[in-house]
Amino acid sequence: DAGVIQSPRHEVTEMGQEVTLRCKPISGHNSLFWYRQTMMRGLELLIYFNNNVPIDDSGMPEDRFSAKMPNASFSTLKIQPSEPRDSAVYFCASSFGINLQETQYFGPGTRLLVL
Amino acid sequence: AQTVTQSQPEMSVQEAETVTLSCTYDTSESDYYLFWYKQPPSRQMILVIRQEAYKQQNATENRFSVNFQKAAKSFSLKISDSQLGDAAMYFCACSIQGAQKLVFGQGTRLTINP
Repeated sequence: DAGVIQSPRHEVTEMGQEVTLRCKPISGHNSLFWYRQTMMRGLELLIYFNNNVPIDDSGMPEDRFSAKMPNASFSTLKIQPSEPRDSAVYFCASSFGINLQETQYFGPGTRLLVL
Repeated sequence: AQTVTQSQPEMSVQEAETVTLSCTYDTSESDYYLFWYKQPPSRQMILVIRQEAYKQQNATENRFSVNFQKAAKSFSLKISDSQLGDAAMYFCACSIQGAQKLVFGQGTRLTINP
């Protein structure tokens, strides 16, 4: 069974450009999480969905960030306009359900560099 | 706010030896789960082991085991017979009722010396 799939794996862009990160969760999982990892702040939860509905977006840093989940097998995280401080590794994770005991499985991450 | 603290930014161990990574957490909840994730240089986050707070028995997965001290809010990871492939960043995480999300520690970088 394929794990969580993220694309692109690496993205280099210039400040002000729009960036779209993509995620395909594990088939059958109905919860999806977006995390950001930086040296300064570690791993932070940005937003998570359950059954395609955003449940908690309190971690989204500002209005430049938006996330969607149009169906059970696809989610996007968009940054518009991008800034150098957005440079980080962005992880998508999925789980079967939203309960505490459900393990989150992580994708390989997208390394974003904003120049 | 719930917090997870890993006080050892870096650890090293000789191959085949045993190493213990420390983690403490702070929560007033009684129902929660604890996890250790491994992040090798590939940056993939891999689940190593998990522990349910209501279980007294420490979780074990092959060479990996935990020492869960609920009263002390401590959750350490023991790696026995360390192997070169164990070299990675290790993150402790807590999933707390009500928050319904993982809170991660800062990570411990583990080096295995051949």
